[in-house]
Amino acid sequence: AQSVTQLDSQVPVFEEAPVELRCNYSSSVSVYLFWYVQYPNQGLQLLLKYLSGSTLVKGINGFEAEFNKSQTSFHLRKPSVHISDTAEYFCAVRLYSSASKIIFGSGTRLSIRP
Amino acid sequence: DGGITQSPKYLFRKEGQNVTLSCEQNLNHDAMYWYRQDPGQGLRLIYYSQIVNDFQKGDIAEGYSVSREKKESFPLTVTSAQKNPTAFYLCASSTEDRATLDYGYTFGSGTRLTVV
Repeated sequence: AQSVTQLDSQVPVFEEAPVELRCNYSSSVSVYLFWYVQYPNQGLQLLLKYLSGSTLVKGINGFEAEFNKSQTSFHLRKPSVHISDTAEYFCAVRLYSSASKIIFGSGTRLSIRP
Repeated sequence: DGGITQSPKYLFRKEGQNVTLSCEQNLNHDAMYWYRQDPGQGLRLIYYSQIVNDFQKGDIAEGYSVSREKKESFPLTVTSAQKNPTAFYLCASSTEDRATLDYGYTFGSGTRLTVV
């Protein structure tokens, strides 16, 4: 069975600093990978996704993630964060097969300090 | 615009009462899901449905019930048997149509249920 591990439950960074949110997954078959963002008291929004092709994926709000098959990782990065990036970020994985469900990580809370 | 509508956004109920949370989508998605979110615990799957008139239990189905009589609607009932119902509830949907499969989920804005 597949699983997703988000290594940091909280990440505090200063405004305009770079940030990396780490995500590792476990699966014996090929997967699709996602990052979702959740602002307070709201639902989840898709930030970016890796389906196939280029391993560097660009998403909304200046975020990007790199798929590393050998390390089974899909880390999320942003070169310069803003106060508005304060949110919870979820990494997720879904098997290639149809009718499979998405498995979510436990989330990383990103807090931006001025 | 297509999307998922959850209502109400905030809900207060007395202990021992059943309560039904609404989830409606106009995306023509086949599959729908209910998640519960508690602080520090991420998302936990309650029930999901991949087709009308069929649904399966997720990881924490005890104390909850669902129905899927229409493709657009997937209401969740929190029964009095649910021991700790106060939480944030999220509904999601996804398409299983191979022609339009985008592989991700679309989420509603959530319902915060408080039982007093």
